Amino acid sequence: GGIITQTPKFLIGQEGQKLTLKCQQNFNHDTMYWYRQDSGKGLRLIYYSITENDLQKGDLSEGYDASREKKSSFSLTVTSAQKNEMAVFLCASSRQGGSDYTFGSGTRLLVI
Amino acid sequence: GDSVTQTEGLVTLTEGLPVMLNCTYQTIYSNPFLFWYVQHLNESPRLLLKSFTDNKRTEHQGFHATLHKSSSSFHLQKSSAQLSDSALYYCALGGQKLVFGQGTILKVYL
Repeated sequence: GGIITQTPKFLIGQEGQKLTLKCQQNFNHDTMYWYRQDSGKGLRLIYYSITENDLQKGDLSEGYDASREKKSSFSLTVTSAQKNEMAVFLCASSRQGGSDYTFGSGTRLLVI
Repeated sequence: GDSVTQTEGLVTLTEGLPVMLNCTYQTIYSNPFLFWYVQHLNESPRLLLKSFTDNKRTEHQGFHATLHKSSSSFHLQKSSAQLSDSALYYCALGGQKLVFGQGTILKVYL
């Protein structure tokens, strides 16, 4: 079986700081995704990528950048952290069509 | 574009009563993949059920769902709710990317 790893698990940043979250998968999945989840709320898609060097905007891409350096990794950058921001960022990967969709364990962000 | 609608934001039930969480979808694709994901507190979502076969019941861990293309629905059901079923449930539609519904929180009480 494969695994999808997100680093770091916890991230504390300061207002205005640029913060980078990383995600690695060894399923050899084509598509990777970044979601934001606020407490008790649903998943909001930030960016996704259907192959290496591809980048597609989701519903919440403003304020974020992403990079698919290679097939197995997908990073997300918060371009300017907002004070009191608190959310969980979930990475996921899947085969084409959405099969075998798997989530990482998440990165919990707190901005002070 | 593709979309998924979960009409209930919150469902509260007494233990032992039946569960039904609604899910409808819109897509131009004639053979959609539908999924249910469950997310317990402080965990990531994980796959509960999936289906791409019309009118065939799929079951897992006491839950079941049937894809009905005629009504574009994939409702999640369970005959008897347990306390441990309390979680956030997502219905999702497969395609170039997985499209999630808004999620339904299920709270089961004694």
